[in-house]
Amino acid sequence: GAGVSQSPRYKVAKRGRDVALRCDSISGHVTLYWYRQTLGQGSEVLTYSQSDAQRDKSGRPSGRFSAERPERSVSTLKIQRTEQGDSAVYLCASSPETLGDSNYGYTFGSGTRLTVV
Amino acid sequence: KNEVEQSPQNLTAQEGEFITINCSYSVGISALHWLQQHPGGGIVSLFMLSSGKKKHGRLIATINIQEKHSSLHITASHPRDSAVYICATGGTSYGKLTFGQGTILTVHP
Repeated sequence: GAGVSQSPRYKVAKRGRDVALRCDSISGHVTLYWYRQTLGQGSEVLTYSQSDAQRDKSGRPSGRFSAERPERSVSTLKIQRTEQGDSAVYLCASSPETLGDSNYGYTFGSGTRLTVV
Repeated sequence: KNEVEQSPQNLTAQEGEFITINCSYSVGISALHWLQQHPGGGIVSLFMLSSGKKKHGRLIATINIQEKHSSLHITASHPRDSAVYICATGGTSYGKLTFGQGTILTVHP
């Protein structure tokens, strides 16, 4: 397709379980980001990668978040030992530009709403 | 660290009114995005700006780089404009975005 798609749209997980969220980005896009968004508290970057990195860099100090990119246009965000505070919308965005470029256009996925119970 | 502040956080309007949502940021950026999210829906990118003004239909976005401020205007608002509007800025470090808290807009018929 022409856009970025994420699956599942909604996910309910029991606290302590691991979850995996998928992002299918646009063919040819180089850079891919995962963001976590909580309305009223803004968003934070979780990971980012360029196309030649199979394993993304995690910005989360706890190390429970990681992403893998088995194919150039597919990324899987893995959250280990989920906590209630992980309940949020997880957004994937990809860009045709490389990291550090000053001009870029992001295409966002529709997000996965994760609820940890 | 860039901080992005949006105002107002909640906005209610009557159909037909002119609407303005503001976004201020604290450090120099390379681009600013305005995003829209309908209830239960995905995020749609409305504009990406690095200077001046852009217009698309009833939506207008402006940015003042010197003042570190951007506005999103909606002319002749309609109930279908009801959504969350999010400002996101792109810095020079790794190109990652910093998001504002969002503005919840409700337009009544």
